[in-house]
Amino acid sequence: EAQVTQNPRYLITVTGKKLTVTCSQNMNHEYMSWYRQDPGLGLRQIYYSMNVEVTDKGDVPEGYKVSRKEKRNFPLILESPSPNQTSLYFCASSSGQVYNEQFFGPGTRLTVL
Amino acid sequence: QQPVQSPQAVILREGEDAVINCSSSKALYSVHWYRQKHGEAPVFLMILLKGGEQKGHDKISASFNEKKQQSSLYLTASQLSYSGTYFCGTEKAGYGGSQGNLIFGKGTKLSVKP
Repeated sequence: EAQVTQNPRYLITVTGKKLTVTCSQNMNHEYMSWYRQDPGLGLRQIYYSMNVEVTDKGDVPEGYKVSRKEKRNFPLILESPSPNQTSLYFCASSSGQVYNEQFFGPGTRLTVL
Repeated sequence: QQPVQSPQAVILREGEDAVINCSSSKALYSVHWYRQKHGEAPVFLMILLKGGEQKGHDKISASFNEKKQQSSLYLTASQLSYSGTYFCGTEKAGYGGSQGNLIFGKGTKLSVKP
């Protein structure tokens, strides 16, 4: 089944404790992105990647890191999480073809205390 | 820069129609529309490309005015299952077409009542 997976789905952590949210897709997609969703603000892009080793900042990159060492994986790293990073996070991938619809993962709900 | 969606929310009775608008200040390559049910991931509905091509859900229609960088999503004869938050996503026009960088609006919450 074609899908984007994220882990963990739920995470409660404390300020300053490094964490990684994994994202993996099995569709051989070129593009992958991370979004955060907060009430009233919609989906805001954190980082996106056009291919292996090629990443670029989105609208809200501060406090986040990403890497794309393999085509299928695009982990999101929070080196020193803070309470304002409490949010719902979505990973998405797309083919990069003409009809470039995005496929979203199930989401990760992160709470930073 | 996020595209601007309107209205922010709309309440309908089953069978009524609705239009959701999306506008951007940038020259666009494509406009995407997604629907998100509460607690779930957004799901693709439709994509409209510069030049007139489109692909998507067979019960939902949309338009893309390239000159104004505006798109509208038309929901006709609404059903209870149409309830959710609708997002437009825009791709800037770039060399070679798609840049794969989708920026979403803040969403329009649609509630369909029996």
